[in-house]
Amino acid sequence: EIVLTQSPATLSLSPGERATLSCRASQTITNYLAWYQQKPGQAPSLLIYDASNRATGIPARFSGSGSGTDFTLTISSLEPEDFAVYYCQQRTNWPYTFGQGTKLEIK
Amino acid sequence: QVQLVESGGGLVKPGGSLRLSCTASGFTFNYHYMSWIRQAPGKGLEWISYISSSNTTRDFADSVKGRFTISRDNTKNSVYLQMNSLRVEDTAVYYCAREKTYLEGVFDIWGQGTMVTVSS
Repeated sequence: EIVLTQSPATLSLSPGERATLSCRASQTITNYLAWYQQKPGQAPSLLIYDASNRATGIPARFSGSGSGTDFTLTISSLEPEDFAVYYCQQRTNWPYTFGQGTKLEIK
Repeated sequence: QVQLVESGGGLVKPGGSLRLSCTASGFTFNYHYMSWIRQAPGKGLEWISYISSSNTTRDFADSVKGRFTISRDNTKNSVYLQMNSLRVEDTAVYYCAREKTYLEGVFDIWGQGTMVTVSS
């Protein structure tokens, strides 16, 4: 099973700042990595797939990068609605696995 | 609009069974693989099962293999999760999720979730 490790566990920033979230895989997953956002009481929603492709309707301030084992989600300038939990997920091998999440909180 | 609606959750005793349903609308259901993903209270996400668009292939996480089965009825735009021999650790919100066409394993549409509580 591929283990995804996200860092940091919690990130405290202010609106307007840049956020950088990391996800490291226990073995290479080429570029088969997605990022999801989950707000309290809601289902997750897809942000980025295959490392760098924004999902439909996702603002350009969200970008993804990386390949192999190291990946990054960047939010260029935080909006109030961006404070949430973010999960990475790989689809290279079954079982598909998720990282443990990064909570992005308002400083 | 594109939507998934789960139902069938509830309170069940350890060793009991439950059948979850997920009904799709707003898209061509039989074009898509479907998955079930769960989230224990206060925890992260765990993928537990998928089924192919044609109902021919499926897989399960080790944590549920042999206890859960997945099926679909493309005439009813629905996917099901039959859960047997339930354990306390199966307590979670269960989400069904659509996989993007030709991009299996990318979950682009999620239902609102249904809560399953396993407790005596």
